Amino acid sequence: GQNIDQPTEMTATEGAIVQINCTYQTSGFNGLFWYQQHAGEAPTFLSYNVLDGLEEKGRFSSFLSRSKGYSYLLLKELQMKDSASYLCAGMNSGGYQKVTFGTGTKLQVIP
Amino acid sequence: DAMVIQNPRYQVTQFGKPVTLSCSQTLNHNVMYWYQQKSSQAPKLLFHYYDKDFNNEADTPDNFQSRRPNTSFCFLDIRSPGLGDAAMYLCATSTRTGESFFGQGTRLTVV
Repeated sequence: GQNIDQPTEMTATEGAIVQINCTYQTSGFNGLFWYQQHAGEAPTFLSYNVLDGLEEKGRFSSFLSRSKGYSYLLLKELQMKDSASYLCAGMNSGGYQKVTFGTGTKLQVIP
Repeated sequence: DAMVIQNPRYQVTQFGKPVTLSCSQTLNHNVMYWYQQKSSQAPKLLFHYYDKDFNNEADTPDNFQSRRPNTSFCFLDIRSPGLGDAAMYLCATSTRTGESFFGQGTRLTVV
């Protein structure tokens, strides 16, 4: 199985940088995802890491350290529309992809 | 264009009255998932399919069943909905790498 931990809430200022951390413990690992979910809407895909290191996509970057069971999502130049929940999700190894979500980090961006 | 479509967006059902939620996809993905998400909680995996291979989570109540008649369609049947089953139900498909595409969700209210 998998156990995924992330902070429940964070607050950051418009224009700033925020880092959302995620730690995971898994019996088999086949990649880690970050999703964004606005209130009342479905999650949308942000990033996927399976190798160690930083993946950059515009204002969003995601980092993975497999040896430490650790990932973070970095959001730069924060905008008000970035206020949302950010879900860390791990995929197990095996014959089929089973994705387990963390409880999500609710990010509030303030002016 | 929507790629994972859930109908209806909002469903109200009476306590104990069977209800079916539907999901269709145009992505031709082998893997489909049903998640239950309650307010401020992570999506909780109920079932997933790899092609026609069906997998239900150990803690999915017997009250919940699923059907996948073909690649494109998947149904979630709740035989006797209780008040505790009120939630957002999310359908998702995924690629071989596990990137998931979610439908808009069906918000179920039990009265």
